[in-house]
Amino acid sequence: AQSVTQLGSHVSVSEGALVLLRCNYSSSVPPYLFWYVQYPNQGLQLLLKYTTGATLVKGINGFEAEFKKSETSFHLTKPSAHMSDAAEYFCAVSLFSGSARQLTFGSGTQLTVLP
Amino acid sequence: EAGVTQSPTHLIKTRGQQATLRCSPISGHTSVYWYQQALGLGLQFLLWYDEGEERNRGNFPPRFSGRQFPNYSSELNVNALELEDSALYLCASRRGGIRNEKLFFGSGTQLSVL
Repeated sequence: AQSVTQLGSHVSVSEGALVLLRCNYSSSVPPYLFWYVQYPNQGLQLLLKYTTGATLVKGINGFEAEFKKSETSFHLTKPSAHMSDAAEYFCAVSLFSGSARQLTFGSGTQLTVLP
Repeated sequence: EAGVTQSPTHLIKTRGQQATLRCSPISGHTSVYWYQQALGLGLQFLLWYDEGEERNRGNFPPRFSGRQFPNYSSELNVNALELEDSALYLCASRRGGIRNEKLFFGSGTQLSVL
């Protein structure tokens, strides 16, 4: 079984401050991990993904995430928040099982950026 | 290149009615996924279609059903609507092939059940 836990349903940061959105997963096999962003009234967009290789993954809009197997974490960070980063962020894990697979999403974290 | 398109954008129904939601994947994509995003619950996996067949379904009752057409577009049908079915329904598509993970999402259909 696989699950994804996002700590904190709401996170507020000041413009220019560090953004840290937490994600922990549970999986019996090495997972593929994703971060998606959903802006108001829009569908989801892929921010970044980890499959294999380098554990520090860089995505769009200055975001990056680090896969830490020992901590079963895949936290999303951005050094300096911008007002346009205000959105809801979803962590997701994908597990292959034969020919059937699916993404399991976390419950989401709403990021507010304060001026 | 057109993205994943969903219609209608908004749908208002009353309890007990049926709702039909439509999704057109990106050209060349053969897999279509449906997700439900209810308030406060995050995304819940509903259905996965690939090459016209249902490959997997989430933990939803049978009144949630769908199909994929020969052109890879898809329909999600919800029968006997209940108030708790009110949610944003997102469709996503990707190219076939088990190793290709990137999903592209539509903007969703907001279903309101009164």
